[in-house]
Amino acid sequence: GAVVSQHPSRVICKSGTSVKIECRSLDFQATTMFWYRQFPKKSLMLMATSNEGSKATYEQGVEKDKFLINHASLTLSTLTVTSAHPEDSSFYICSARGGTGTYGYTFGSGTRLTVV
Amino acid sequence: DAKTTQPPSMDCAEGRAANLPCNHSTISGNEYVYWYRQIHSQGPQYIIHGLKNNETNEMASLIITEDRKSSTLILPHATLRDTAVYYCTLGLTGGGNKLTFGTGTQLKVEL
Repeated sequence: GAVVSQHPSRVICKSGTSVKIECRSLDFQATTMFWYRQFPKKSLMLMATSNEGSKATYEQGVEKDKFLINHASLTLSTLTVTSAHPEDSSFYICSARGGTGTYGYTFGSGTRLTVV
Repeated sequence: DAKTTQPPSMDCAEGRAANLPCNHSTISGNEYVYWYRQIHSQGPQYIIHGLKNNETNEMASLIITEDRKSSTLILPHATLRDTAVYYCTLGLTGGGNKLTFGTGTQLKVEL
């Protein structure tokens, strides 16, 4: 079945630094990937839709200059949290849809970001 | 702007069927009903999806009402490993269409 790999699974960074999270579709090509954010005991909040070869589409209220998304190939999308602050600490999850006979949306295992 | 509503929590005895309801009264004609579950600190796992017919796979059954305004996910023989947050969501068939999540149901399976 379709597999989405997300890396790193955990990262701790200092305030003011930037962090890049990778999302790869391992056995299929994904023209579209999605990035979510999840706070403790809360639901997934869609941040943006990542489109291969074009600009990402951000949801209302999400700062595009803060959360840079790049979808340079059909199997890789990256989310960069720029100038991270403690309030950016969260669980970030990507998903993709694609692959022959794929039934729906496949999610990565998530990245736990802690900004200190 | 979630388009689905679910009870916040449910309990189920191990070995019994778990029936998780979902209301989606504003569903459009070409929207599928998708069910995912999330175990703590992991990405959501696909369970099942359907358009209007009832569906069954190795994990669960999905019952969709005739008017498609609600559905029920059935785990026929719940185990402790089924303890998770279950999300009901709506999605279109196009590859670029996004899934948005409501608050989900925390299912707790107990001995």
